[in-house]
Amino acid sequence: AQSVTQLDSHVSVSEGTPVLLRCNYSSSYSPSLFWYVQHPNKGLQLLLKYTSAATLVKGINGFEAEFKKSETSFHLTKPSAHMSDAAEYFCVGSVGAGGTSYGKLTFGQGTILTVHP
Amino acid sequence: IAGITQAPTSQILAAGRRMTLRCTQDMRHNAMYWYRQDLGLGLRLIHYSNTAGTTGKGEVPDGYSVSRANTDDFPLTLASAVPSQTSVYFCASKRDGTSPNTGELFFGEGSRLTVL
Repeated sequence: AQSVTQLDSHVSVSEGTPVLLRCNYSSSYSPSLFWYVQHPNKGLQLLLKYTSAATLVKGINGFEAEFKKSETSFHLTKPSAHMSDAAEYFCVGSVGAGGTSYGKLTFGQGTILTVHP
Repeated sequence: IAGITQAPTSQILAAGRRMTLRCTQDMRHNAMYWYRQDLGLGLRLIHYSNTAGTTGKGEVPDGYSVSRANTDDFPLTLASAVPSQTSVYFCASKRDGTSPNTGELFFGEGSRLTVL
């Protein structure tokens, strides 16, 4: 079985300071990992994805994430927060070709990011 | 604009009533999914369909049914609604349902359902 754990339910930063949203995964197989963002009253939008091509993945809006197999982590970072980054972020995992996920994804519980002026 | 359309956007429903949430996509994606989002629980998969004519159960299928008569439509039906089904429901699609999940999920904007 696989699981995805987001270590913080809420993160608060000041505008212009770095953002770190933490995600750990567990899987018996090589995972595909994603970060999605959800703005209020909206659907989820893909920020970035890891599918074993490169461990450092760059996404939209200046976000990036690094896959660290030794730490089973896939933390999301951004050097400088913007007010428009305030949203809920979901780390999402999926079993790779060796599993039988049939396209089903496992969502973390979500991290709400607040950005203060 | 290509994407996923969900209807209704919001609904209040009496317990015991039947309700169908509609989902239509115009991207010709093979795979479609229904999730429910509840505070502190993230998104949980209710049912999925890897291609037209096939469906499967997700993590929390009880009390829900789906059909996939064609590529574009994937309605979710609550046969007899109960208060625990109060949630925000998201429909999503992906180009390929059985690949090692390299594809992006596209989400609708959600249907907020309240069962009293």
